[in-house]
Amino acid sequence: YVLTQPPSVSVAPGQTARITCGGNDIGNKRVHWYQQRPGQAPILVVYEDDDRPSGIPERFSGSNLGNTATLTISRVEAGDEADFYCQVWDTDTVHGPVFGTGTRVSVL
Amino acid sequence: QITLKESGPTLVKPTQTLTLSCTLSGFSISSGGEGVGWIRQAPGKALEWLALIYWDDTVRYSPSLHNRLTVTKSTSRNQVVLTMTHMEPVDTGTYYCGRLGNSWVADWGQGILVTVSS
Repeated sequence: YVLTQPPSVSVAPGQTARITCGGNDIGNKRVHWYQQRPGQAPILVVYEDDDRPSGIPERFSGSNLGNTATLTISRVEAGDEADFYCQVWDTDTVHGPVFGTGTRVSVL
Repeated sequence: QITLKESGPTLVKPTQTLTLSCTLSGFSISSGGEGVGWIRQAPGKALEWLALIYWDDTVRYSPSLHNRLTVTKSTSRNQVVLTMTHMEPVDTGTYYCGRLGNSWVADWGQGILVTVSS
């Protein structure tokens, strides 16, 4: 199962960033999102399409429909600059997590 | 507080076997429902899942690497151990262990950078 993300997204501070994750009929899977700042381990920012772990700002939200899942970051801050990865659980062949190709979010 | 910490060699030679340990704190790998996975990341590349193990000893491996990987757990030490045989330079990268949620990685270790070089 392949998850495709745009390599990069650029956004000005205070604006909204949208990161897409494309996969065949991904709307029928649960999608999770991770943020990885430079030199750090990933952290979970959205799970099961649109839930946030405790401590993650409400500015991070998710949606999932059809063949595309989307992570939306509202009111972008300089500290949001990072790589973002989507992930689903492949129950057909891998029987484990599959990660997307990753998107670098740059804050202008 | 839940923490995971990877440990092991940071430099291995080609053809050698890599053994990494993941020490768990704040939860027990023997508790029902718990699972730990291993994920790696080559420099400048995306995350790649390697293997996972559950509290009941169920294991799963990446199809592309399954013939080189073994994952085990020690309930007495509360550790999960990953073994990867026949290491090559392309295996260079940061190796993470993570506590599994329902179908996601809820908590991540800090990672350990492993370099494969002669």
